[in-house]
Amino acid sequence: AQSVAQPEDQVKVAEGNPLTVKCTYSVSGNPYLFWYVQYPNRGLQFLLKYITGDNLVKGSYGFEAEFNKSQTSFHLKKPSALVSDSALYFCAVRATGTASKLTFGTGTRLQVTL
Amino acid sequence: NAGVTQTPKFQVLKTGQSMTLQCAQDMNHNSMYWYRQDPGMGLRLIYYSASEGTTDKGEVPNGYNVSRLNKREFSLRLESAAPSQTSVYFCASSEARGTLNTEAFFGQGTRLTVV
Repeated sequence: AQSVAQPEDQVKVAEGNPLTVKCTYSVSGNPYLFWYVQYPNRGLQFLLKYITGDNLVKGSYGFEAEFNKSQTSFHLKKPSALVSDSALYFCAVRATGTASKLTFGTGTRLQVTL
Repeated sequence: NAGVTQTPKFQVLKTGQSMTLQCAQDMNHNSMYWYRQDPGMGLRLIYYSASEGTTDKGEVPNGYNVSRLNKREFSLRLESAAPSQTSVYFCASSEARGTLNTEAFFGQGTRLTVV
């Protein structure tokens, strides 16, 4: 069975500092990997994805993530955090191929302080 | 573009009542999903439908039924609501075949309280 682990319930960083939100996954075969963000009382918004190709993927709002196959990780990063980045972040995985379901981690709450 | 539309946005049910959550997408996606979100549990998959006419159980299907009415619509039914089904429910859709555009798009959620 496929699974996603987000080991940190909460991450706190000061505005202007770099941030990292960790994600590791388990899936049969090659993965599709995703990051989503959720603001209070809203649905999930897509940030970025890894499908194939370059291990470093860039997404919305200055976020990027690095796919590491040997460590089965897909950590979310941003060079300089903003207070407005404060939200709940979810990592998700799906196996390549048809009829494959999308599995989410438990989420990491990012708090960016002034 | 409307994207994924869920109705209702809020609902309060009494234990034992039934209801159907509606979801429709206008992106011509093949796959559709129902998730529930509970504090500390992330999003857990209830049911999904890889294509019109097919449905499969996810992690937490007990107490729920689904119908993929057509390519656009995927409904979730609670036959006899229980307090444990108090949650926020999200519908999502994605394109799974023959494309690299595989990200899922989510509705705004339905906040359900069972008393």
